[in-house]
Amino acid sequence: DTEVTQTPKHLVMGMTNKKSLKCEQHMGHRAMYWYKQKAKKPPELMFVYSYEKLSINESVPSRFSPECPNSSLLNLHLHALQPEDSALYLCASSQDRGTAAFFGQGTRLTVV
Amino acid sequence: AQSVTQLGSHVSVSEGALVLLRCNYSSSVPPYLFWYVQYPNQGLQLLLKYTTGATLVKGINGFEAEFKKSETSFHLTKPSAHMSDAAEYFCAVTRRAGYSTLTFGKGTMLLVSP
Repeated sequence: DTEVTQTPKHLVMGMTNKKSLKCEQHMGHRAMYWYKQKAKKPPELMFVYSYEKLSINESVPSRFSPECPNSSLLNLHLHALQPEDSALYLCASSQDRGTAAFFGQGTRLTVV
Repeated sequence: AQSVTQLGSHVSVSEGALVLLRCNYSSSVPPYLFWYVQYPNQGLQLLLKYTTGATLVKGINGFEAEFKKSETSFHLTKPSAHMSDAAEYFCAVTRRAGYSTLTFGKGTMLLVSP
């Protein structure tokens, strides 16, 4: 099983809403990631969770909040988002940091 | 610091023609190298990777890439393009050791015409 599962596939939310994106992998990988991807651009790293340690891209605003309930799950909590946060959000996992990452299908987020 | 340059934001080929997507990297230490493919509104799929050993790497869907240290390149090729190959392709690099994450190139859109 080389699958990373993301839910939901699509999400529309208002600027005052609170929502969560979920990501799950059962490959025994020890690193999990959240990326943001705008149209016609490469993915931008937001967060890395590896060996129970969270690394944050300092340019990511605090309205995005990651949570790792266990080694197989990675959530991304969203609060008070802006329209410019509309994008494809990708979760990925890898055996270790610096090895090949496997990506989920993404959540298409639209903020209205 | 490491970086990746993909030459050409768009590459157009005819069905059956050779596919060549270029990737050059800059890294202070020998890197790991990857090619990913992304179809519209989907996630990234790993095509192939180079970590160590043979410099010619074969991947899925008939693609292959060759690591050339002297040229700091990792170009992606396929002998005969198929319509289903039309997609965005990303080259990525990461450091061999240490606490590293993927650095992506800007991507190349492959267009395949009948």
